[in-house]
Amino acid sequence: SQQGEEDPQALSIQEGENATMNCSYKTSINNLQWYRQNSGRGLVHLILIRSNEREKHSGRLRVTLDTSKKSSSLLITASRAADTASYFCATDEGGRRALTFGSGTRLQVQP
Amino acid sequence: EPEVTQTPSHQVTQMGQEVILRCVPISNHLYFYWYRQILGQKVEFLVSFYNNEISEKSEIFDDQFSVERPDGSNFTLKIRSTKLEDSAMYFCASSAAGAAYNEQFFGPGTRLTVL
Repeated sequence: SQQGEEDPQALSIQEGENATMNCSYKTSINNLQWYRQNSGRGLVHLILIRSNEREKHSGRLRVTLDTSKKSSSLLITASRAADTASYFCATDEGGRRALTFGSGTRLQVQP
Repeated sequence: EPEVTQTPSHQVTQMGQEVILRCVPISNHLYFYWYRQILGQKVEFLVSFYNNEISEKSEIFDDQFSVERPDGSNFTLKIRSTKLEDSAMYFCASSAAGAAYNEQFFGPGTRLTVL
């Protein structure tokens, strides 16, 4: 897979359920970030996890990072219809500031 | 909460015309970026800018593109002679100094349509 690839590509759940999205990458990184994008809109920064961190929380979001497997997961707990969006992981390869984005996971939360 | 702003939200132009996309980064940020997203595709890095010069650029950022910080608040992307394939959403982003916290905040984007 390419740098910063998410799976699944699409996820449909009921309101109140948890949603888990995964991201894999290939090179060493400084940080991994997750973004949300509503259809046709801008990218909203959700959370940044550094390469020396294993887990991070922000509200209903929980992000994990496993540098040995070059993978990350984003968990949204108690999902709401308003969480419906595409979610992207983005990595910055060692020493560079340019972010490399994956193809994203389209999350649909049914009310 | 401070945010990145971009104007215009939508720009329609004829092929071969020059366009300038404008961005106002978050005021205390020192790194500025442009990305683009062609419809249905990934977000792609174009260029980063620091201390009044380009610090990184991608293969996409060829001689048709240029960036400028004309004053203390604006950051612009110029496309000299637009092509049909330049049609995309263009995002500006900014981040504070410090490589350990390369937290990039994006603007709402400018949708560029080249006819």
